[in-house]
Amino acid sequence: IVMTQTPLSSPVTLGQPASISCRSSQSLVHSDGNTYFSWLHQRPGQPPRLLIYEISKRSSGVPDRFSGSGAGTDFTLKISRVEAEDVGVYYCMQATQFPWSFGQGTKVEIK
Amino acid sequence: EVQLVESGGGLVKPGGSLRLSCAVSGFTFSNAWMSWVRQAPGKGPEWVARIQSRTDGGTIDYAAPVKGRFTISRDDSKNTLYLQLNSLKPEDTALYYCASEYNWNYDHWGQGTLVTVSS
Repeated sequence: IVMTQTPLSSPVTLGQPASISCRSSQSLVHSDGNTYFSWLHQRPGQPPRLLIYEISKRSSGVPDRFSGSGAGTDFTLKISRVEAEDVGVYYCMQATQFPWSFGQGTKVEIK
Repeated sequence: EVQLVESGGGLVKPGGSLRLSCAVSGFTFSNAWMSWVRQAPGKGPEWVARIQSRTDGGTIDYAAPVKGRFTISRDDSKNTLYLQLNSLKPEDTALYYCASEYNWNYDHWGQGTLVTVSS
């Protein structure tokens, strides 16, 4: 399954919202009814870290300014008010069909 | 505290070999499904290989670009995951992470070990 993210780069102002989209080449609804779609965040020099799983569930310790939405093949990550620690690259990932696959990444930087 | 520590990366010529290791602590390694995921410079992560726990059957899978050249294995007595890389190509150049799987996600990642294939 091919995962396509837009935009590839997102300059944002501190305190302003940001939004990233991800589209999959086929539906991510699993035969068990769940949708195994996640968002990960990678800071420079660090491994990716799970942010959101099953479309909209925040991982432990993730602030509530992060929210995920979507269904089927189209998904969105929103940051309500960007903070300095949010910079880095965001990846979408699907685990519905093996092999799991990632998007190409969206770089979020401060204007 | 969970720790995954990769080692064994380096500079190797095309056609050469390397053996990567991933030492795990902080969770029951023998029950874990483990993967190697690589990330080429400036690119998104790419799954490379996975090995299930022995109790779940120990099934091994490989990504198409590495099948027949890479071998994943585990030593549960040493809490260590391995990846043997043979017939290396320049396009294998990447940071190689080991990662544990839990509930349809990679819940823990190491810091990675860099493999550079160049003449």
